[in-house]
Amino acid sequence: DVKVTQSSRYLVKRTGEKVFLECVQDMDHENMFWYRQDPGLGLRLIYFSYDVKMKEKGDIPEGYSVSREKKERFSLILESASTNQTSMYLCASSLPPHLPEGYTFGSGTRLTVV
Amino acid sequence: DAKTTQPNSMESNEEEPVHLPCNHSTISGTDYIHWYRQLPSQGPEYVIHGLTSNVNNRMASLAIAEDRKSSTLILHRATLRDAAVYYCILRIFGNEKLTFGTGTRLTIIP
Repeated sequence: DVKVTQSSRYLVKRTGEKVFLECVQDMDHENMFWYRQDPGLGLRLIYFSYDVKMKEKGDIPEGYSVSREKKERFSLILESASTNQTSMYLCASSLPPHLPEGYTFGSGTRLTVV
Repeated sequence: DAKTTQPNSMESNEEEPVHLPCNHSTISGTDYIHWYRQLPSQGPEYVIHGLTSNVNNRMASLAIAEDRKSSTLILHRATLRDAAVYYCILRIFGNEKLTFGTGTRLTIIP
């Protein structure tokens, strides 16, 4: 029973390309998140969204943008991919913070920028 | 943000209980304690959460100290599939963000 689906498991893009990472959740969650995970640095929050068309910067938003046109879908956009954006990207969703249940993560997209 | 401290790594024998500690001395009264685990090549997976009382579910138990400054995740009978990185995280009431530390890498010895 897959609940958070990321469109690609592996992706290879060239420097300067515009890259779209897609994430879909089927749990009717209000919140959605994009993290990146790098060895030695752990998971770092890029952006999150608490409602349709709403977004908030996380800890490392530079070089990224996001789009949330529908509640179930949250897209991460790399406007001009660079090699330092090679990473594992993880999408997650959750209920609002006054409900303390856990986040649900996708399986991740391993992006390589060459 | 309130921080957590976990050992970098632990080992345990298969079929034995595992106690994974976490210190969170700056926890606030409304912060929830969350545990996640990340299997190799997977996204993190929610394990359990609690506020003040000990909690049990099908995956694990969470024991919370009376002063709430520490907690312990208990896997009652470890299997090889429990080998993962375990993260202890404070979910701050009213704050959507979840901040991950470096976690504890658990190795299960057959």
